[in-house]
Amino acid sequence: GQSLEQPSEVTAVEGAIVQINCTYQTSGFYGLSWYQQHDGGAPTFLSYNALDGLEETGRFSSFLSRSDSYGYLLLQELQMKDSASYFCDKTNTGGFKTIFGAGTRLFVKA
Amino acid sequence: NAGVTQTPKFRVLKTGQSMTLLCAQDMNHEYMYWYRQDPGMGLRLIHYSVGEGTTAKGEVPDGYNVSRLKKQNFLLGLESAAPSQTSVYFCASSGRDREGTEAFFGQGTRLTVV
Repeated sequence: GQSLEQPSEVTAVEGAIVQINCTYQTSGFYGLSWYQQHDGGAPTFLSYNALDGLEETGRFSSFLSRSDSYGYLLLQELQMKDSASYFCDKTNTGGFKTIFGAGTRLFVKA
Repeated sequence: NAGVTQTPKFRVLKTGQSMTLLCAQDMNHEYMYWYRQDPGMGLRLIHYSVGEGTTAKGEVPDGYNVSRLKKQNFLLGLESAAPSQTSVYFCASSGRDREGTEAFFGQGTRLTVV
């Protein structure tokens, strides 16, 4: 199977921390990526995990647990500009991609 | 740095017309993809290519054809456009294995079929 599951919507306040989860099916799994997309824009790459553990990139971190077929994106010190959709994406063995999650819409409130 | 370039950016078609969307990448990537995104929805894979001269069907291939005659170009054709194909189309490319961790996207083509 190829499906990725993530929540459809999350709301948080400015300055808070939010976690967006993604579960995946393991067939051919190589790594998990995260993308951000603002309304009217193209998806842009945020982070990638191939090994278990946490990858930190500024205010954004991503975590992977291969044994649980689960990952998450952690956004800290939320800002209004973080309001966007966030997608997880599975990279298959060999590097190609065949599936994105349906996306999580993040609303950041003042 | 051009990255991934899609043409055209906007197009309005009448039902039954045909058209071709062009995607070009200058990163020497092996893999290229065409996605469609409907309002408030995620990205759905139409077709993809793992190398020059090869193509494969994705999740929603019906009504579309693709060609990858040159490594840097991936063309998406609509044979007979239908209103259900009104969407935003994104092309993307990625490298092989460890280089494939990041997909690079074009800016999208907004297609309306009336």
